[in-house]
Amino acid sequence: DIQMTQSPSTLSASVGDRVTITCRASQKINTWLAWYQHKPGKAPKLLIHTASMLQSGVPSRFSGSGSGTDFTLTISSLQPDDYATYFCQHYHTYPWTFGQGTRVEIK
Amino acid sequence: EVQLVQSGGVVVQPGESLRLSCAGSGFTFYESTMYWVRQAPGKSLEWVSLISWDGEKKYYADSVKGRFTISRDNSKNSLSLQMSSLRSEDTAWYYCARGASSGFLTSWGQGTLVTVSS
Repeated sequence: DIQMTQSPSTLSASVGDRVTITCRASQKINTWLAWYQHKPGKAPKLLIHTASMLQSGVPSRFSGSGSGTDFTLTISSLQPDDYATYFCQHYHTYPWTFGQGTRVEIK
Repeated sequence: EVQLVQSGGVVVQPGESLRLSCAGSGFTFYESTMYWVRQAPGKSLEWVSLISWDGEKKYYADSVKGRFTISRDNSKNSLSLQMSSLRSEDTAWYYCARGASSGFLTSWGQGTLVTVSS
């Protein structure tokens, strides 16, 4: 199975900060990577697919980059609504796996 | 608006069976690949199963293969997950999701908490 490793596991940031989350795959996955936002008690929300494609309706402050094994999710200016947990997921080959999550907290 | 509405949470004993359901609306259900994903307490998300638009292709995670069965009824816009021989390690929030055929998940249900405990 392909392992997905996210860092950091927790991140403390203030409103307006630029935030970067990384995800590393244990083997090359081209750009078969998605990012999700998850808030407690709510359905997870797709932010980015194919490594850098912004899902319709997602604010442009979210962006994704990378290919092969190393990927990044960036929030250009953190907003109050962005405090949540973020997961990466590969869909290169079965079984698809997720990173362990990065919790973005209020500093 | 895309909606995926799941059945309520439940507590079952080890070894018992349970069927989860998910009702889709606001999109062309019969054209969509559908998925189940779960999250155990304190753990990351885990892909469980998927079913193709026509029900012909089904895939399972090794952790549930042989115990869980995914199915769909396109006439009722419904997705199901039949879970048998449940174990304590199956305790988790279970999410149904609509996805692209390539594999990313575009819409998710609100989740159903399944607790397996004696």
